Amino acid sequence: QVQLVQSGAEVKMPGASVKVSCKASRYTFTTYHVNWMRRAPGQGLEWMGWMNPFTGDTGYAQKFQGRVTMTRNTSIATAYMELSSLRSDDTAVYFCARDYDNNGYFDLWGRGTLVTVSS
Amino acid sequence: DIVMTQSPDSLAVSLGERATIRCKSSQSVLHSSNNKNYLAWYQQRAGQPPNLLIYWASTRESGVPDRFSGSGSGTDFTLTISSLQAEDVALYFCQQYYTPLSYTFGQGTKLEIK
Repeated sequence: QVQLVQSGAEVKMPGASVKVSCKASRYTFTTYHVNWMRRAPGQGLEWMGWMNPFTGDTGYAQKFQGRVTMTRNTSIATAYMELSSLRSDDTAVYFCARDYDNNGYFDLWGRGTLVTVSS
Repeated sequence: DIVMTQSPDSLAVSLGERATIRCKSSQSVLHSSNNKNYLAWYQQRAGQPPNLLIYWASTRESGVPDRFSGSGSGTDFTLTISSLQAEDVALYFCQQYYTPLSYTFGQGTKLEIK
């Protein structure tokens, strides 16, 4: 069925980087923007940024500017989110989501990837 | 950033009864150019990804049961479940998409069966 399949859980040291993947299944990957959000323990969802899989254009929340990079590989219909200089407060579940109308709401979500930052 | 505040944080409702969740934005999300409210509602069941219920404040997503409805305009919005079913136990949250590159979410409302 139509879905976004995310990569598995990661444990990283402070200062390291993490790269989470999000593979689109059964729809045309390049048609719809992919957005990334995260939810830290006990917190609400936090929007991180978007990527246009067709052009590679990106837009990032100011909070993550300089630390986040969103890329894609269209040949395997996969989007990536890389976060660098990890801190303990980056511990969260990271979600990718499809923006069907490219308006800013999300009709299809991945199941989430737990990233734990700990020494 | 626009701050989205939901109330209550948690809610217990009897099966078949009405559930009402509120979402207030710190500034209006009504766009004057198209008279649309840039507000969405999602449901997240335990262990599942979020599921889009409502967008443009009141448009039900395809496949969402008609017991779910959204209302409101400007800064005050409501999600109503007209007759609670067991499968509606979940976390519900609102999202504004009015401000490009600065989407924000409510903190969530946990809905349980009384």
